[in-house]
Amino acid sequence: DTGVSQNPRHKITKRGQNVTFRCDPISEHNRLYWYRQTLGQGPEFLTYFQNEAQLEKSRLLSDRFSAERPKGSFSTLEIQRTEQGDSAMYLCASSIGTQPQHFGDGTRLSIL
Amino acid sequence: QKEVEQNSGPLSVPEGAIASLNCTYSDRGSQSFFWYRQYSGKSPELIMFIYSNGDKEDGRFTAQLNKASQYVSLLIRDSQPSDSATYLCAASSTSGTYKYIFGTGTRLKVLA
Repeated sequence: DTGVSQNPRHKITKRGQNVTFRCDPISEHNRLYWYRQTLGQGPEFLTYFQNEAQLEKSRLLSDRFSAERPKGSFSTLEIQRTEQGDSAMYLCASSIGTQPQHFGDGTRLSIL
Repeated sequence: QKEVEQNSGPLSVPEGAIASLNCTYSDRGSQSFFWYRQYSGKSPELIMFIYSNGDKEDGRFTAQLNKASQYVSLLIRDSQPSDSATYLCAASSTSGTYKYIFGTGTRLKVLA
């Protein structure tokens, strides 16, 4: 059990650029979640995968955001045409069954 | 909107004292509750989870759940300066995806 891995740890980009984050869940975990956290707030749910199927997307997830989990293993979250308001910590979590979710170290996104 | 409410703090306790952190939730259908510790700039780390009414103890930590009052608490005995962090309360949603609804967190400061 090597834990949930997220890359990159930090991303600094200019407004209007596209960014992509990667999450590698714990190997046997079939459930994968993306959350976004801003300063002073708790994590907010963005989207959920069960195996390769994306089963729920938050209304927070505008059409500039897309997520994939192509083979039910790692997942990517892409943000197109980034905006200042996208600056946040993007957290990935995984779980199996009803077991608690375990979080990765997150990707901190800063938009210049 | 299903919510989880926490007092943002800071809650200051002297070293060796009991810290009591509280959380209320609005979705009466929520079944599972979680406490995560989050150090500044780091990702959430699972501390405790509780599914049934009553108390659950693990070392210096005790989680308490009262579903009738929709109330969850976390007690930290013999508080140490290293316990100083933000404590996030989360409820598992009833949507079938087991996504978590987080509170804003309570900042705990343990004074040496």
